[in-house]
Amino acid sequence: KAGVTQTPRYLIKTRGQQVTLSCSPISGHRSVSWYQQTPGQGLQFLFEYFSETQRNKGNFPGRFSGRQFSNSRSEMNVSTLELGDSALYLCASSLGQGASNSPLHFGNGTRLTVT
Amino acid sequence: GENVEQHPSTLSVQEGDSAVIKCTYSDSASNYFPWYKQELGKGPQLIIDIRSNVGEKKDQRIAVTLNKTAKHFSLHITETQPEDSAVYFCAAPQSPNSNYQLIWGAGTKLIIKP
Repeated sequence: KAGVTQTPRYLIKTRGQQVTLSCSPISGHRSVSWYQQTPGQGLQFLFEYFSETQRNKGNFPGRFSGRQFSNSRSEMNVSTLELGDSALYLCASSLGQGASNSPLHFGNGTRLTVT
Repeated sequence: GENVEQHPSTLSVQEGDSAVIKCTYSDSASNYFPWYKQELGKGPQLIIDIRSNVGEKKDQRIAVTLNKTAKHFSLHITETQPEDSAVYFCAAPQSPNSNYQLIWGAGTKLIIKP
C-alpha cells in the first residue's frame, strides 16, 4: 500500500503571498489531519477533515484553511504569508475512528520557507 | 483540556545502553497513550501505544509503562542502536470522550553515541 504523499516537498514563498499544499492519504483512509511543526513549538494541530467536512480545528488564524475532496485528498492553503509561517507542514491520514482506534500515518511533510 | 509534558528534550546515550523518556499528562480520564518516532527528513511513525487498562506493553527492545496514579507514562528503549537516533513524541487524547485528536509532547531528541 502506498503511504501518505505530500507535495511539494519544498516551497519558498515571499511574505504576503499565498500557498497551497497537497496531501494524498493512504487508500481507504477518510480522515486527513494537518500539523505545523517548528523547532520551538513541536507538533501543532491545524485541522482535520473527514468525508469532506472539517471535523476538528486547532488554534490557528483564519489565514490557514483547508479542504478535502471526494477521493479524500486534501489541500491546505495559507494566505497572506508571514515570516512566522515558515515550518514543516505535515499531513496525516487515518481511518478516522478516533485517535485511540485509528493510528495516524504521516507523510514526510512540505518544508515551507517564507522570506 | 489535556496537557502533555515530555522530558528530557535531548537525551544522549552510549550505544548498547538503555534510554528512558517520560511524559506526564493532566487529564485523569485519558485512556490512550501513543509514542511516535520521527527520523530525519521523515514524518512521525507510530512505534508503540498503551491503553489505560494495562500497565506495561513490550515490543522487542521497546516498552511503554503507564502509571495512572501519577499520571505519567514512559518509553523505554533497551540495547540502543544507531538507528534509534530520532525525535520521539508522546501524545494523549485531546478529550477522552471524543478521542479524535491528540495533544503532543514537545519531543525528545535521542542521540546514540557510537
